[in-house]
Amino acid sequence: RKEVEQDPGPFNVPEGATVAFNCTYSNSASQSFFWYRQDCRKEPKLLMSVYSSGNEDGRFTAQLNRASQYISLLIRDSKLSDSATYLCVANTGFQKLVFGTGTRLLVSP
Amino acid sequence: DVKVTQSSRYLVKRTGEKVFLECVQDMDHENMFWYRQDPGLGLRLIYFSYDVKMKEKGDIPEGYSVSREKKERFSLILESASTNQTSMYLCASSPTLGGEPYNEQFFGPGTRLTVL
Repeated sequence: RKEVEQDPGPFNVPEGATVAFNCTYSNSASQSFFWYRQDCRKEPKLLMSVYSSGNEDGRFTAQLNRASQYISLLIRDSKLSDSATYLCVANTGFQKLVFGTGTRLLVSP
Repeated sequence: DVKVTQSSRYLVKRTGEKVFLECVQDMDHENMFWYRQDPGLGLRLIYFSYDVKMKEKGDIPEGYSVSREKKERFSLILESASTNQTSMYLCASSPTLGGEPYNEQFFGPGTRLTVL
């Protein structure tokens, strides 16, 4: 079983839609979590960190459920520019970050 | 802005060659990392370093070595390149804040290595 698992997608949504991605992690000792965004043929960039019960940044909301060991990313009012791959990342506490394989989002006009 | 640069965007090498991938960061970060990214497998950590001359194995260190002689530079070495090392290689750096090195990682643009 992978340490961090994501649905690879793609998720195809129209502009203005709300879309949510889930990510599960296997190591209950994982201390902190992140969502990274990766555009096609580009490097990953931090979208947002996820702490305790979650946090919001504009149209983006991240939630953490430690009991069920999953985190989620909600994107409201999707824009064409949101089309990308979203990587779920866990700090497992063993001195490394573990990346999921990513969920691909395609936003269409 | 933090900048992480990698020596090449594209590289083609032959089986058995020794390959050097260079990474330089300009933000005085203590921590540097080398990953490879493959379809369906995501980013996998090869090696990382918390300080000059320090190195730690990641998840897939076999066939690779690293060197960190200066704080800003972290090199990945493929001692004898093989076709299964064809991949996208990404370097990253991060600061240590409050004793915690796992803050935001800043990535370089990547090197797409093809081994023939």
